[in-house]
Amino acid sequence: EAGVVQSPRYKIIEKKQPVAFWCNPISGHNTLYWYLQNLGQGPELLIRYENEEAVDDSQLPKDRFSAERLKGVDSTLKIQPAELGDSAVYLCASSVDGTGYGYTFGSGTRLTVV
Amino acid sequence: GIQVEQSPPDLILQEGANSTLRCNFSDSVNNLQWFHQNPWGQLINLFYIPSGTKQNGRLSATTVATERYSLLYISSSQTTDSGVYFCAVGALSGNTPLVFGKGTRLSVIA
Repeated sequence: EAGVVQSPRYKIIEKKQPVAFWCNPISGHNTLYWYLQNLGQGPELLIRYENEEAVDDSQLPKDRFSAERLKGVDSTLKIQPAELGDSAVYLCASSVDGTGYGYTFGSGTRLTVV
Repeated sequence: GIQVEQSPPDLILQEGANSTLRCNFSDSVNNLQWFHQNPWGQLINLFYIPSGTKQNGRLSATTVATERYSLLYISSSQTTDSGVYFCAVGALSGNTPLVFGKGTRLSVIA
């Protein structure tokens, strides 16, 4: 069984440009999470989906960040426009349900904004 | 929100040595997990352990929920154990996502 799949693995963009990250969770996992990990820190939640509904997006900077999970399966996280401070690793995770059982992370997308 | 503190922040071990990593949390939890982040950045789930004790090979973990701490034991460490170990908790109040500590960076030298 495939794990959580993320793409791209690496992305380098110039500031003010848009960027998008894609995540496909484990089949059957209803809950999907996007985390941000800065260097030397633990992951921090950006947004959580239960199926197609965003149930926790309080930490998502909505002026420039957006996310969607239209059919309750794969998800896209977008930044527009990107800033230098957005350079980080963006991690996607999924779990069976909101209890967090079966929490599994993807390999992440390392974003560098220059 | 719930706070998670891990100690020590950094640890250097000689291959073959044992170690104990600690995780303290500030509120009651219904979910506690230990992860290992390898040098390539992949987060691997080691234990789901909101209470009690579990063992998996050279690794074991104990959570004392009433005293709000968890311990991860690594015995006979190997160089492949190097990386960052994260403790992450979910608060008891509702289905909340995992909140991560800052991690313990472990370096095992041959």
